[in-house]
Amino acid sequence: QVQLQESGPGLVKPSQTLSLTCTVSGGSISSGGYYWSWIRQHPGKGLEWIGYIYYSGSTYYNPSLKSRVTISGDTSKNQFSLKLSSVTAADTAVYYCARDRDGGGWNSFDYWGQGTLVTVSS
Amino acid sequence: SSELTQDPAVSVALGQTVRITCQGDSLRSYYAGWYQQKPGQAPVLVIYGKNNRPSGIPDRFSGSSSGNTASLTITGAQAEDEADYYCNSRDNSGNHVVFGGGTKLTVL
Repeated sequence: QVQLQESGPGLVKPSQTLSLTCTVSGGSISSGGYYWSWIRQHPGKGLEWIGYIYYSGSTYYNPSLKSRVTISGDTSKNQFSLKLSSVTAADTAVYYCARDRDGGGWNSFDYWGQGTLVTVSS
Repeated sequence: SSELTQDPAVSVALGQTVRITCQGDSLRSYYAGWYQQKPGQAPVLVIYGKNNRPSGIPDRFSGSSSGNTASLTITGAQAEDEADYYCNSRDNSGNHVVFGGGTKLTVL
């Protein structure tokens, strides 16, 4: 059973960088066929894909966030991380990490972390 | 990137059948994934691919697709099915992911 767990500060000051880590157990981020993803959900709103890292190290980001986002992986710790720079109150959200399974003509997020609320406030 | 459009809210009488739809250009190329989210919880995958259910998902959940529209059907809705439902797919580039805005399902 794959499990994902987000960790990181719950409070970040405006203009600073939000940093979160996702620790994966029961599966390897080095496995092909999976994209290790970050997704966020603003309070009371829908899901927003932030980006993902593939086992090869390739990354893809939501175009609306691309200039501020970096996703990286640490295979030795079986973790992947999110950095979002120059945050504002609009970045306050629940942040989820998830495994994106690629099926060729489809994709699905089959495992999710529990989510972590990050508040941007001074 | 492309967008996926869902009706904001849908209601169904207990035991009846309800269809939740998701529209977008990318659905002509990719099957949608469907997720159920209850308050305070992470989303749960309920349908993936052409019409596949992960282990543990009741068979009253099914998926279908036609043209630019994907549908999630709940046959015999139960009280516990009341939740928000989201669709997703790859976008037309194949490199990004898009989500629908979500549909709030009320079971009457």
